[in-house]
Amino acid sequence: GENVEQHPSTLSVQEGDSAVIKCTYSDSASNYFPWYKQELGKRPQLIIDIRSNVGEKKDQRIAVTLNKTAKHFSLHITETQPEDSAVYFCAADGAAGNKLTFGGGTRVLVKP
Amino acid sequence: GAVVSQHPSWVICKSGTSVKIECRSLDFQATTMFWYRQFPKQSLMLMATSNEGSKATYEQGVEKDKFLINHASLTLSTLTVTSAHPEDSSFYICSVPQGAGGYTFGSGTRLTVV
Repeated sequence: GENVEQHPSTLSVQEGDSAVIKCTYSDSASNYFPWYKQELGKRPQLIIDIRSNVGEKKDQRIAVTLNKTAKHFSLHITETQPEDSAVYFCAADGAAGNKLTFGGGTRVLVKP
Repeated sequence: GAVVSQHPSWVICKSGTSVKIECRSLDFQATTMFWYRQFPKQSLMLMATSNEGSKATYEQGVEKDKFLINHASLTLSTLTVTSAHPEDSSFYICSVPQGAGGYTFGSGTRLTVV
C-alpha cells in the first residue's frame, strides 16, 4: 500500500519568514495530494491540494509543488503569521479505493 | 463539499463496555466512508473502509471483531468499539470521499476508556 513520509516533524519559524514542509510517497499511481491543517481536538481542514496533472498550485500565501518523477510534494507558506501555528499533514490517495494515507505530521510554531 | 456529521463528539466509558460512533453524510450519498484513529501527537491512521451494503475492509492489524462497522444506508456508517479498554482511548474520525471533490471529515469523537 501507499506510504507517505513527512519532514520535518517540528518546525519553528519567525513571524514573516517562510515555512516549507516536504513529503514523499511510494505509490506511483497516486493522483491526489491534499494538505491539511489540524488544530488540537479538531478535524483536519483542507488548506490546499494538487492533482497529478499539475506541477504547482498557489493560493495567496500557500503553495504546493509536486514532482511525480521523484514522488515528492512540498507545502510552502510565505509571510508566516502566529495563526499559522498548528499541525500540518500531507496525504496521498494511492491506487486502490481512494484511501487517503497521511504523513506523520509537522508541528509548526510561528514565533512573534 | 459534503456535510458530514459525527456523534458523539466525546464519550467516556467504563472498561469492558461498548461504544457506538455515528458518521452521517447529510447531503451526499456515500457508498464508501473511511474510519481513522488518531492517538495524541500522532497522525491519522486508517482503520477501515466502510462499504454500503457489504462488509467493511479492515487495514492490517485492525481487529474486525473489536471494531464493528455497519454501513446500512448511503448516509450512515457506524463504528462500534466493543469491550473497550484504556488503550482504545483515542480520537476517532470518519471521512467521506467525494470522487474528484476531495474528502470531507467528520468532527471526530474523543473516546476515553476508564
